[in-house]
Amino acid sequence: GIQVEQSPPDLILQEGANSTLRCNFSDSVNNLQWFHQNPWGQLINLFYIPSGTKQNGRLSATTVATERYSLLYISSSQTTDSGVYFCAVTTSYDKVIFGPGTSLSVIP
Amino acid sequence: GAVVSQHPSWVICKSGTSVKIECRSLDFQATTMFWYRQFPKQSLMLMATSNEGSKATYEQGVEKDKFLINHASLTLSTLTVTSAHPEDSSFYICSARDPDRPIQETQYFGPGTRLLVL
Repeated sequence: GIQVEQSPPDLILQEGANSTLRCNFSDSVNNLQWFHQNPWGQLINLFYIPSGTKQNGRLSATTVATERYSLLYISSSQTTDSGVYFCAVTTSYDKVIFGPGTSLSVIP
Repeated sequence: GAVVSQHPSWVICKSGTSVKIECRSLDFQATTMFWYRQFPKQSLMLMATSNEGSKATYEQGVEKDKFLINHASLTLSTLTVTSAHPEDSSFYICSARDPDRPIQETQYFGPGTRLLVL
């Protein structure tokens, strides 16, 4: 099956810093999503981005489907950005496969 | 729109008992729902796909007799953990597909249910 990798596994940022999270996937996919899981476990969808670039406030994402990777950019990080960021791909069988996640801690 | 709820949000039970978790699509009809399990500090792992009116499809390594899934209506799927043991303690999350939305935006996730088996 499809393998999804994320890097880095852990990241500590000073408030105000920028960061880039990466997601690699091993096969072509129908869709790719970025999620933020808050401390209570709720998954918050950040982007549906099978290809191209999207921006939403301080967050932006780019997926290069032909090279099988996606990047999530966080600019001017805030303490509320802390949590786990998951990349998830949708296969041709409509299954969503999650990556291992990047645990982000933003310190004041 | 596209809200998915789960009940209960957390449950503590004794080893050997059965626990039922409900997943509801509140404002759309979900022909397909998915159940995930997440252990602490780990990612979400798909357990099974639940289709309304038919048997669930389980992922490899998931015991179908232990994790009973029933999708009896277009808005409700239930996951029953039978004869729960401490190793079943986990965070269970469901998602539901809205067939009226574009394929790339059809899955919506519930808030999850934390299960602790003593």
